[in-house]
Amino acid sequence: DAMVIQNPRYQVTQFGKPVTLSCSQTLNHNVMYWYQQKSSQAPKLLFHYYDKDFNNEADTPDNFQSRRPNTSFCFLDIRSPGLGDAAMYLCATSRGTGYYEQYFGPGTRLTVT
Amino acid sequence: AQRVTQPEKLLSVFKGAPVELKCNYSYSGSPELFWYVQYSRQRLQLLLRHISRESIKGFTADLNKGETSFHLKKPFAQEEDSAMYYCALRDNFNKFYFGSGTKLNVKP
Repeated sequence: DAMVIQNPRYQVTQFGKPVTLSCSQTLNHNVMYWYQQKSSQAPKLLFHYYDKDFNNEADTPDNFQSRRPNTSFCFLDIRSPGLGDAAMYLCATSRGTGYYEQYFGPGTRLTVT
Repeated sequence: AQRVTQPEKLLSVFKGAPVELKCNYSYSGSPELFWYVQYSRQRLQLLLRHISRESIKGFTADLNKGETSFHLKKPFAQEEDSAMYYCALRDNFNKFYFGSGTKLNVKP
């Protein structure tokens, strides 16, 4: 009965080779978030969608893109991964922009070789 | 600017001892503060939020606007409390900022 699912759990890609990470949810939540978490650091918000409205963080590199084709799915595309992009990527959802908790997926650990 | 600071990376206490995980924030508006917890091999999940003024698993946290703190407390730690704890702030633009986390280790 997983509510926020991330695939794959582990992803290995080569330097410069595009990679896509996937997130799906069964909660029918309006908001979906992508975070990047490097070792021993805080999860850092990359961007979020409120329905189809995309909200990019000012310091998110252009190398990172996102798509949300429908309510249930959201994708993180890294166009040209660098070694510095190796991290855990967390997807989260929330019902809205009010005082709602976020529900997190298990994360995808990305390795760049 | 770092909005959420958790000064301790690791906190070790004995079972039954009181525990306090520190969190300080910087935000000029009216923040919403949360504590999230991640148990071993589990996903990040909400522990409690300041607006609810609730006690979850014996944990409480009080928002102190004067000291800009939101410390997490429990009077008697249990071994099952061992986990990674993250303090988080949501600003008026629905952006979340997490602290770097404190690993709580409760020893038997």
